[in-house]
Amino acid sequence: EVQLVQSEAEVKKPGESLKISCKGSGYSFTTYWLAWVRQMPGKGLEWMGTIYPGDSDTRYSPSFQGQVTLSADKSINTAYLQWSSLKASDTAIYYCARKIEATGPPYVFDIWGQGTMVTVSS
Amino acid sequence: EIVLTQSPGTLSLSPGERATLSCRASQSVSSSYLAWYQQKPGQAPRLLIYGASSRATGIPDRFSGSGSGTDFTLTISRLEPEDFAMYYCQHYGGSPKYSFGQGTKLEIK
Repeated sequence: EVQLVQSEAEVKKPGESLKISCKGSGYSFTTYWLAWVRQMPGKGLEWMGTIYPGDSDTRYSPSFQGQVTLSADKSINTAYLQWSSLKASDTAIYYCARKIEATGPPYVFDIWGQGTMVTVSS
Repeated sequence: EIVLTQSPGTLSLSPGERATLSCRASQSVSSSYLAWYQQKPGQAPRLLIYGASSRATGIPDRFSGSGSGTDFTLTISRLEPEDFAMYYCQHYGGSPKYSFGQGTKLEIK
């Protein structure tokens, strides 16, 4: 079964760092782009960025450039989303999602992780 | 930057009725790059439609997509109780760059 399994919910204080994970299984992890998507409480979906685990080629949404870091460890089929200094406004559910085709169109996401809830509060 | 605007914000219908959800792009886009997702409370989004009109694997044929240029539509021909959820359209703008509409809530009347 193709699946993405994300790390558990986190509760952090403003200014703290955090790294959450997304582990792929059931497919060739290194050959499919993976995206991260934010969903703030009661709000819609926002694309944050995309990484190609095969060579860690990374593209960021301008809205998130410099705010987060995407990375991947292909030896353990895991992608990461990282913050160096969290803010209360980072409170959200974060999803990882796999692009449906290894190369070319369609540019959509067919497999989603279950989401990781990040709460930032003093 | 292309902005996707979905309407209505909330749609109240009864099971068995037909639902028509709209997604309007701020400028003309390729239908190849327009998709629809369903999201139920507490769940991750689920891909329904890609390429404006192609159903994803396992999606019932009561779901259909259409449109071109700036206006796209998701139609649910006959609502089942499990169809009441949030729906988002999504566009791929190259580079890569993805954007989502703000969503339409389909609720039971």
